[in-house]
Amino acid sequence: DAGITQSPRHKVTETGTPVTLRCHQTENHRYMYWYRQDPGHGLRLIHYSYGVKDTDKGEVSDGYSVSRSKTEDFLLTLESATSSQTSVYFCATGGGNQPQHFGDGTRLSIL
Amino acid sequence: GDSVTQMEGPVTLSEEAFLTINCTYTATGYPSLFWYVQYPGEGLQLLLKATKADDKGSNKGFEATYRKETTSFHLEKGSVQVSDSAVYFCALSDHFGNEKLTFGTGTRLTIIP
Repeated sequence: DAGITQSPRHKVTETGTPVTLRCHQTENHRYMYWYRQDPGHGLRLIHYSYGVKDTDKGEVSDGYSVSRSKTEDFLLTLESATSSQTSVYFCATGGGNQPQHFGDGTRLSIL
Repeated sequence: GDSVTQMEGPVTLSEEAFLTINCTYTATGYPSLFWYVQYPGEGLQLLLKATKADDKGSNKGFEATYRKETTSFHLEKGSVQVSDSAVYFCALSDHFGNEKLTFGTGTRLTIIP
């Protein structure tokens, strides 16, 4: 158990609504990451953080924002959800010479 | 940019068969290489890793060798079990401070008794 909790685990919402996903870690890792998983694409990095209030974009960051006000929490926000953001979202921690460990994912459906 | 190419799935094998899942990569510098496994309804778990050329990662009977000359990191297991049914992802990380992972598209493996 890598001490990563994602919430919610499942969510269904409508196009245009804001959505926030939470990742909570108990291992005090400096690095945290948000990925999305889609068929035929594997996992793709959305945003990552290398410390409190220090974040940077990944390869598919458009339409997403993140915040990290505490070491243990990394939030992913969809300001105005679109159907193309229907996906499974994974949080990970580690990096910095440690392999990444993943949470169990959040399945997000946008209707 | 960095990229990882895995063999297309799905792969279906009989129990006790020999498994190979091919993985090749493109990267600048000297990346670390990983295999992750995802069981149904779960997140990804690190299966094995290698951090430099000619390293062999191994775990649970699975092995992969970091081949710099062929830019490959093929996953092998001598005798698969039904419990090995899962999706397998090859990935690399650069060494530019943030250890971002670049993933292949995944290979779904099904083992039949």
